[in-house]
Amino acid sequence: SQQGEEDPQALSIQEGENATMNCSYKTSINNLQWYRQNSGRGLVHLILIRSNEREKHSGRLRVTLDTSKKSSSLLITASRAADTASYFCATEVSGGSNYKLTFGKGTLLTVNP
Amino acid sequence: ETGVTQTPRHLVMGMTNKKSLKCEQHLGHNAMYWYKQSAKKPLELMFVYNFKEQTENNSVPSRFSPECPNSSHLFLHLHTLQPEDSALYLCASSRMEGGRLGLMDEQFFGPGTRLTVL
Repeated sequence: SQQGEEDPQALSIQEGENATMNCSYKTSINNLQWYRQNSGRGLVHLILIRSNEREKHSGRLRVTLDTSKKSSSLLITASRAADTASYFCATEVSGGSNYKLTFGKGTLLTVNP
Repeated sequence: ETGVTQTPRHLVMGMTNKKSLKCEQHLGHNAMYWYKQSAKKPLELMFVYNFKEQTENNSVPSRFSPECPNSSHLFLHLHTLQPEDSALYLCASSRMEGGRLGLMDEQFFGPGTRLTVL
């Protein structure tokens, strides 16, 4: 598997429900970021969590990071139809001359009105 | 939208054509990136420029030729492409210090160019 891998690949929920997406990675990281992409458009940064942080909040978003399990989760509470998009995790790998993000394949979230 | 613009938004070209994609950022960033996004594949990093200097070429075929004349502009010159090169090409920018992303930095993406190679 690649460095960042989201799970599930697709998620369909009703408006008002919570959505949880997970990301697993393989090597040590400096930080992990979550991005959102509406169909055929550019990515939009949602939240960044550093390797020494365990949880961050931003509005209806909650991100957790477990470096011992090499995993992160993104929780969207009280989902809205406008949250329908693909969500990607991206990792910045620690060590050496690393200066790039590695993205996963993403989770396609559909929020039904 | 995000301070990063890309032109054209859509491009259809034949395999013998030569075309260029343009990216411009208005955020004062010093690092710019080209990514390729194909269906059902992860976002693939192609090139990284830091202060106009190319610092990453992710084994990209020579039919893709990047150019970064200054820290605000990035081009991707295309020639003799193949149909499998059809994809969404995304440009991004960020602040980079000491050759690596800062701990608080994020990448800002443009809307992308949808490229179709016939």
